Amino acid sequence: QMQLVESGGGVVQPGRSLRLSCAVSGFTFSNYAMHWVRQAPGLGLEWVAAISHDAKKKYYSDSVKGRFTISRDNSKNTLYLQMNSLRSDDTALYYCVRIPSLWGQGTLATVSS
Amino acid sequence: DIVMTQTPLSLSVTPGEPASISCRSSQRLLDSDDGNTYLDWYLQKPGQSPRLLIYTLSHRASGVPDRFSGGGSGTDFKLTISRVETEDVGVYYCMQRIDLPYTFGQGTKLEIK
Repeated sequence: QMQLVESGGGVVQPGRSLRLSCAVSGFTFSNYAMHWVRQAPGLGLEWVAAISHDAKKKYYSDSVKGRFTISRDNSKNTLYLQMNSLRSDDTALYYCVRIPSLWGQGTLATVSS
Repeated sequence: DIVMTQTPLSLSVTPGEPASISCRSSQRLLDSDDGNTYLDWYLQKPGQSPRLLIYTLSHRASGVPDRFSGGGSGTDFKLTISRVETEDVGVYYCMQRIDLPYTFGQGTKLEIK
């Protein structure tokens, strides 16, 4: 059974950092590009970042470029999102996604003083 | 960035009646190299992650009932539900993935009359 399980969310103050993880199982992780998509409370979906299957290429939305870093460890079947210099508008449910068909349940990051 | 515009933003439908949602992109989504149109449709039910309904314009995802269909061309696309059922309530999103950053429509909330 293919599964994506996110973790690492929590409540942090503005300017601080969080590291999200996504544990993958049920398929060959190293064969697929992976993405992070977020959803602010009550709002729509926003693509955040992507990484190629071999981690050689990384892409970011303008809203997180320079603050967030996507990475992966294919030996551990795990995707990461390092989020630095967090702002209140980064508050969202963060989904790990194998676009288009496989989504995790999300992990909530709340940025608040 | 490619802008995706959905209409209507909300929809109230009697069970058994048809429904359609439109999605317009600011650029064409046809990949001339492989002939695919990279437009997907998702349904997000309350409290759940988005679920893929339709991928590359018109292909139903695994397990999706055949009352759901997708079509269109150029920059205009449509999701059609031939006969709405009560389980179809939620928010529907279109998404383009021909070009990064991937972008979503604003979402269309479907309610049952």
